Amino acid sequence: EVQLVESGGGLVQPGGSLRLSCAASGFTFSSYWMSWVRQAPGKGLEWVANIKQDGSEKYYVDSVKGRFTISRDNAKNSLYLQMNSLRAEDTAVYYCANEWELAHDYWGQGTLVTVSS
Amino acid sequence: QSVLTQPPSASGTPGQRVTISCSGSSSNIGSNTVNWYQQLPGTAPKLLIYSNNQRPSGVPDRFSGSKSGTSASLAISGLQSEDEADYYCAAWDDSLNGHYVFGTGTKVTVL
Repeated sequence: EVQLVESGGGLVQPGGSLRLSCAASGFTFSSYWMSWVRQAPGKGLEWVANIKQDGSEKYYVDSVKGRFTISRDNAKNSLYLQMNSLRAEDTAVYYCANEWELAHDYWGQGTLVTVSS
Repeated sequence: QSVLTQPPSASGTPGQRVTISCSGSSSNIGSNTVNWYQQLPGTAPKLLIYSNNQRPSGVPDRFSGSKSGTSASLAISGLQSEDEADYYCAAWDDSLNGHYVFGTGTKVTVL
């Protein structure tokens, strides 16, 4: 059974940092591009970033470029999102998802990040 | 800011057919395949349709997708109460250097 389990969310002050993790199991993690997608409270979905199988290519939505860094450890079947200089508008549930057939096939349950003083 | 536009809401009675539109541009829907996601209240999104009209294993054939030019649509036939959810279209966008864009989302209500 495919499982994606996010962790690391919480309450952080504006300007602070947080590192999200996503533990994958049930599929060959190293064979898939992986993405982070977020959803602000009561709002729609927003793609945040993705990373190639070997980590050699990474892409970000403009609003997080220079502040967020996506990475992966294939030996640990894990995906990460380092978030720095956090802003109130980064408050959201963050989901990790694998990419399959140019879509997002499996999703985690999400982890809530709240940026507030 | 979403670049794919959907109607905010749609509704129907059980058994009816409901259609949701998704309008984009030449750089996203016009150039790439469209996917649809279903998000039940309080849960993570679920892939419903990929590559314009393909259903992942386990998705009922009541759900169908189509694409024409820079627009796409999702149809739900034989509407059921458990279909009450938010639905999002999505596509890769060639003008945004490898970015993936979601639609604004449509809330489907079963009357």
